[in-house]
Amino acid sequence: EPEVTQTPSHQVTQMGQEVILRCVPISNHLYFYWYRQILGQKVEFLVSFYNNEISEKSEIFDDQFSVERPDGSNFTLKIRSTKLEDSAMYFCASSRQGDLSPLHFGNGTRLTVT
Amino acid sequence: AQSVTQLGSHVSVSEGALVLLRCNYSSSVPPYLFWYVQYPNQGLQLLLKYTTGATLVKGINGFEAEFKKSETSFHLTKPSAHMSDAAEYFCAVSVRASNTGKLIFGQGTTLQVKP
Repeated sequence: EPEVTQTPSHQVTQMGQEVILRCVPISNHLYFYWYRQILGQKVEFLVSFYNNEISEKSEIFDDQFSVERPDGSNFTLKIRSTKLEDSAMYFCASSRQGDLSPLHFGNGTRLTVT
Repeated sequence: AQSVTQLGSHVSVSEGALVLLRCNYSSSVPPYLFWYVQYPNQGLQLLLKYTTGATLVKGINGFEAEFKKSETSFHLTKPSAHMSDAAEYFCAVSVRASNTGKLIFGQGTTLQVKP
């Protein structure tokens, strides 16, 4: 069964550094998402992306965050200047038809900001 | 605005016992409802979903859930727990017709299965 793959599985960075989290969604999916889960807290929506543009973003997704689909397969989340509070598990997800089909999640990237 | 509340952050059952994980939602429009499971060091896997039609939905691994509009609930059940069911379970609601597919998650329930 096709899977959403995320790399790296664990990223350690220093405060103020830029990080790029990478995702390869399922190939025939059209909608792409980033979610995050701070340790011990609920999974939170960050951003959805469709037709090469952001379709919705949360309050968390401020100017420090950006997403890009640089080619036909990758979907990236960039954090420009990381803060300690950005430490979390970041999940990429994709779906075929937005709210008409379920989201398929990757295994996540654990980001640790020191 | 949509929201999801899962009653009980930890549920412990014996192997072979009934599993009941509670989920209540709030939505101003008819919702799409989902249950996801997360095993350690893995992503979220869809267990089942309710969109329209039959209110009792069956999912993978013997789980099922019933949409009760009058109670704004979508509780997850399994007749007989197995050790492999130990995981974290998330209830989620989607904004119907938003076309973004954005999910709002509950805080999760950790299911412990005792031998």
